Parts: sequence; C-alpha cells; structure tokens
Amino acid sequence: KQEVTQIPAALSVPEGENLVLNCSFTDSAIYNLQWFRQDPGKGLTSLLLIQSSQREQTSGRLNASLDKSSGRSTLYIAASQPGDSATYLCAVREWGGGSEKLVFGKGTKLTVNP
Amino acid sequence: DGGITQSPKYLFRKEGQNVTLSCEQNLNHDAMYWYRQDPGQGLRLIYYSQIVNDFQKGDIAEGYSVSREKKESFPLTVTSAQKNPTAFYLCASSIDRTGYGYTFGSGTRLTVV
Repeated sequence: KQEVTQIPAALSVPEGENLVLNCSFTDSAIYNLQWFRQDPGKGLTSLLLIQSSQREQTSGRLNASLDKSSGRSTLYIAASQPGDSATYLCAVREWGGGSEKLVFGKGTKLTVNP
Repeated sequence: DGGITQSPKYLFRKEGQNVTLSCEQNLNHDAMYWYRQDPGQGLRLIYYSQIVNDFQKGDIAEGYSVSREKKESFPLTVTSAQKNPTAFYLCASSIDRTGYGYTFGSGTRLTVV
C-alpha cells in the first residue's frame, strides 16, 4: 500500500530565507507527483506537477524535483515571503486496487515571519 | 473561467439527517472525486467516478452515497449512517488520463449540531 510522508510537519522561517520541503513515497510505480498549496479553510491550489519521466519542474520561485527510484520529491521555495505561509501537500498518482488514485501526505505547515 | 464549484461553503447537519454537498465542474473533465479532510490527517478518498453513470467506492465510502447523472455534476450525500461526518469535504476532477493533474474545488465544511 502506497504511503506518502512529508517532513517536517511544520516549519517556521524568517522572510527571505530559501527552504526545502520533503516528500517521500513507498512505491515508485507512480504516474506523476503533484504539489499543492492549501490556505486555512480553503481548497487545494495546484503548484507543480512532475511526470514520472521528469526530474524537475519550475514555476517562479518554486522548484520541485522527483527521484522516483528513491521515492523522494522536494519542493524548493526561494526567497520566501509571508504570503507563502500555508500548508503544502504532496500527492502521488498511482494505480492501486483496480483503479488510479491520488495518495496524499499529511502536509507541511509553513509559516514565514516578516 | 473554468473550474470546480462546491456549495454550500458551510453546512450544518442535525443528528439523523441526510445532507447533500454539490460539486459542479466546467472543465470538461471525465473523472471526478470526493475527498474528506480531517485535522492533522491527509485527504482520504470517499468516492470517485471516471465516467457518467458509473462510480466506485474509495477508501472510506461507508455512510456516503453519490450519483453521476451528468458529466458536470457529482453530488455527495452524507447519510445518517455516517457516524462522524464533521469534516472538510473537497471535490476534485481530472482529465481521465494518468499524465494529468487534479483540480480541486474550494471545499464544504460540514458540522453536526
């Protein structure tokens, strides 16, 4: 059974710092990996999608990498801002139990202090 | 703009009542999903549908029911059999091809009173 783990569970940094969020998964047979942002009481906003054949994706100050063989992904946030404060979730899309599905980690709650 | 609309944003249920959460998408996506989110836990899949008039149970389907009569709509009913329904419910959709990502709605917070 696929399990997705995110470390750390919470992170507090000063504004301007570069930071890395970690995601690991137990079964490397995935189609893709997606990073989401969730603000309190809100839905999920997709940040980056990495296909299983790709190594990384970039969008603005965000860079996500994928090492499928080792079951790891990282989300790098450059020059963090208070507006980046949110919970970041990673999810892998896989085939399991006769259907494709998205399996989520529990998230990393990020606080960027002014 | 294309997207997913969930309504209502907040919903209160009395003990023994059934309530229905709405999810509508105009993205022309084939597949739709319902997830439940509890504090400190990851999202858990309730039901999903990959085509109209067909749907499958997810990991925590007990006490819930769905229908998929139109491509755009995937309502979720929380029945009285669901003993702990207080949670945040998220609807999502995707093009039914595995290389694509998911799009989520803004969620419905259900509280039992």
